[in-house]
Amino acid sequence: DGGITQSPKYLFRKEGQNVTLSCEQNLNHDAMYWYRQDPGQGLRLIYYSQIVNDFQKGDIAEGYSVSREKKESFPLTVTSAQKNPTAFYLCASSTTDGDNSPLHFGNGTRLTVT
Amino acid sequence: GNSVTQMEGPVTLSEEAFLTINCTYTATGYPSLFWYVQYPGEGLQLLLKATKADDKGSNKGFEATYRKETTSFHLEKGSVQVSDSAVYFCALSERTSYDKVIFGPGTSLSVIP
Repeated sequence: DGGITQSPKYLFRKEGQNVTLSCEQNLNHDAMYWYRQDPGQGLRLIYYSQIVNDFQKGDIAEGYSVSREKKESFPLTVTSAQKNPTAFYLCASSTTDGDNSPLHFGNGTRLTVT
Repeated sequence: GNSVTQMEGPVTLSEEAFLTINCTYTATGYPSLFWYVQYPGEGLQLLLKATKADDKGSNKGFEATYRKETTSFHLEKGSVQVSDSAVYFCALSERTSYDKVIFGPGTSLSVIP
């Protein structure tokens, strides 16, 4: 079955360390996205990529970085510059064929930084 | 700018009760509208969508009608089940230079037997 795989499901880090969250998709989607979800809030867009080797900042990109070297992969690095990194991180993908196609989500990574 | 407003939760219903979750939006153009559902510990899944005015999206007994005159996309289900307990997100997508989806804050639903 096609889908999006995020790993690990739970991640614990000490303050001051960078950490990379993995996102892989086998849906052959061109576009991929990273969202952050905090309790009681909607999803906020961190970064998105519509094509390999290109990506754009979303609404809350500060303290995060991404790469898109392969169509299937869109890893997110949470750097030590992110002031409040503890959150639930969701990766998503979609087609870009012009019909406002829906997002397909992974099951998320819960990051806890202490 | 574009925005989505949902009724505040949490919502608690008894099994077989009627469900309505209100959603209104603000958009400059003609967005597509979506309802996503998030079960505990999981990512979001598309529940239903509508791409133009007066369209009705439906899935798993849930329905929502795209009302341009009231800028609304309320989610309804005639008889909820315990398994419907989840967080429901209303969202819009408007074609600009890129696909950007605007999500509402989510409404938590608990269905008790």
